[in-house]
Formats: sequence, structure tokens, C-alpha cells
Amino acid sequence: DTAVSQTPKYLVTQMGNDKSIKCEQNLGHDTMYWYKQDSKKFLKIMFSYNNKELIINETVPNRFSPKSPDKAHLNLHINSLELGDSAVYFCASSPRQGSREKLFFGSGTQLSVL
Amino acid sequence: DAKTTQPPSMDCAEGRAANLPCNHSTISGNEYVYWYRQIHSQGPQYIIHGLKNNETNEMASLIITEDRKSSTLILPHATLRDTAVYYCIVKEYGNKLVFGAGTILRVKS
Repeated sequence: DTAVSQTPKYLVTQMGNDKSIKCEQNLGHDTMYWYKQDSKKFLKIMFSYNNKELIINETVPNRFSPKSPDKAHLNLHINSLELGDSAVYFCASSPRQGSREKLFFGSGTQLSVL
Repeated sequence: DAKTTQPPSMDCAEGRAANLPCNHSTISGNEYVYWYRQIHSQGPQYIIHGLKNNETNEMASLIITEDRKSSTLILPHATLRDTAVYYCIVKEYGNKLVFGAGTILRVKS
């Protein structure tokens, strides 16, 4: 029944490893997002996809690569993890772009890089 | 690069109305005012949004001043579960949602 689900909820890994976070939404939305919340609790958008097409790509290191196999899924792959990548990553979806859309967020993935 | 100003924190007694102010003096005519909240360890949750007129839904009311330079989110009967960070965001069609620092609302019994 969960509208936007992310896995895993917790991810602990060593520096230099490669990891993926998966996101799925069952709301039939066209647009999906990845946000990062750092230790100071600021939420920043990283990427946005609309119908599998990348539409927002903020200044994010190219070690981060989003992949959208279909409009219900948006996965985040991170190469060569660094200590500064430790944060909570939130996936979100919305019915369409534009001013009237509401974002529905997942419960987050807490990534700890040791 | 948030376009809004909110107090860092507020307290409210349980059962009373919580009135959360937001200043957005540089808002443009095409920008909507959105409110989201984030309860501890959860993802942000949409509350309400509006353009010019006051809005009400099952969660809250949004009062926007006539000049649109400020707004107030009203939780009519705050409960302990309303303790959260509340974000006021202005956004134009097609633009991304940019979160600021928000207001930490503590509802106390």
C-alpha cells in the first residue's frame, strides 16, 4: 500500500564502494525526484525525471547516476562513495510538473559512509 | 536560495491553534505558496498550497495577505503529532521545490 517506497532504509558502507538505492511509486505519477538531506537538515533536490526523461540535474558529482527504467521507478546509483555522501536520501513523486503538483515523499534511506 | 523567511522555532499548547508565519516579500505573480512538514525521521509531507485566496483542507488553513508578501499556516487544534519542521516554499510553474530551514513547531501538553 505504500505510495513511494525506498529500499534499503539504512545503508552502511565503506568509502570507495558502489551502492544503489531503489525507489518505486505506485501512484501512477509521471515525475520522480531524488532529494538529499544532509546533517544540517537542509533538503536539496538532486535529480528529477519526467516519464523516464531527466529534467533536473543539479550540481551533483557525476559519481551519482540516476536510472529510470520506467516511470514508476527511479533508482540512484553512487560510485566511489565518499564520507561526505553520508546523508538521508529521499525519493519523491508528483502527478505532473507544474505549479499544482504535490510531491509525495518516501520515508528515506539513511546512508552512512565509514 | 529559499525565497521565504520563517521563524526558527515556535511552541504551541496542545489543543490550541498553531499559527506559523512566513514572509515572502519578493514573491512574483506566478508563484504559489506551498507548505510541507517533516515529522522526525520521516519524509516531507504536503500540507496545503495557494496563490491568492485563502485555502482550507482537512489538515490546515492557509491565509495569504492581500499583497501576497506573507502568509500564515493555521493548524486549528494542534496535537502532539503535529510536532515537526514546517516548510513554507514559493514556487512557479515548472520550477523545482526548494526547501529552506523551516520552522520547528513543538506542540506541548
